[in-house]
Amino acid sequence: QSALTQPPSVSGTPGQRVTISCSGSSSDIGSNTVNWYQQLPGMAPKLVIYSNDQRPSGVPARFSGSKSGTSASLAISGLQSEDEADYYCAAWDNSLNALFGGGTELTVL
Amino acid sequence: QVQLQESGPGLVKPSETLSLTCTVSGGSISISSYYWSWIRQPPGKGLEWIGYVYYNGGTDYNPSLKSRVTISVDTSKNQFSLNLSSVTAADTAVYYCWRYDILTGFDSWGQGTLVTVSS
Repeated sequence: QSALTQPPSVSGTPGQRVTISCSGSSSDIGSNTVNWYQQLPGMAPKLVIYSNDQRPSGVPARFSGSKSGTSASLAISGLQSEDEADYYCAAWDNSLNALFGGGTELTVL
Repeated sequence: QVQLQESGPGLVKPSETLSLTCTVSGGSISISSYYWSWIRQPPGKGLEWIGYVYYNGGTDYNPSLKSRVTISVDTSKNQFSLNLSSVTAADTAVYYCWRYDILTGFDSWGQGTLVTVSS
């Protein structure tokens, strides 16, 4: 069982907006920043959001992140078929352990 | 732009020690604002943090693996390494090296290397 909780799967149609949630506790998400990763089959995870809501260079503005209390969310607007992938959240806890969510499979219908 | 590259045996026998090295290029491993970590992903499963090493050799490990893990740094070679002892089939996974910027939260990943534990 993962330390951070994500829904196993979400789906949406092209052009739609989808959100993926990530739930933690006061000692991890509640105290530290959250990163989000996109993982395509057979590839290494790719950073899409860091420090809760910052987008790395090259990541489309369709990707956005937010955090409130002990939960965080990744939103993808204007959904495209190329967004179909697994998404993971991550945060450090106050014991300096890195925690990952169990991953969410995004399907574009 | 920093690049991380994992290297090591792709096949390890049960009960032996898994050893991997991450070579860092395009940046120094001796900078104090980074955690240098190992992460693994069993086939079809999620990501698991194994532990990190700091530039000065300081470490922290996942409590579930702590008794079997050693991560070390070699600043002269700009490398850090993972040793995981007494491996079983459950340790079969893609192993990634990972640099996390403590100040900004930005991170970088290696491409990953598959290690299979089998006799």
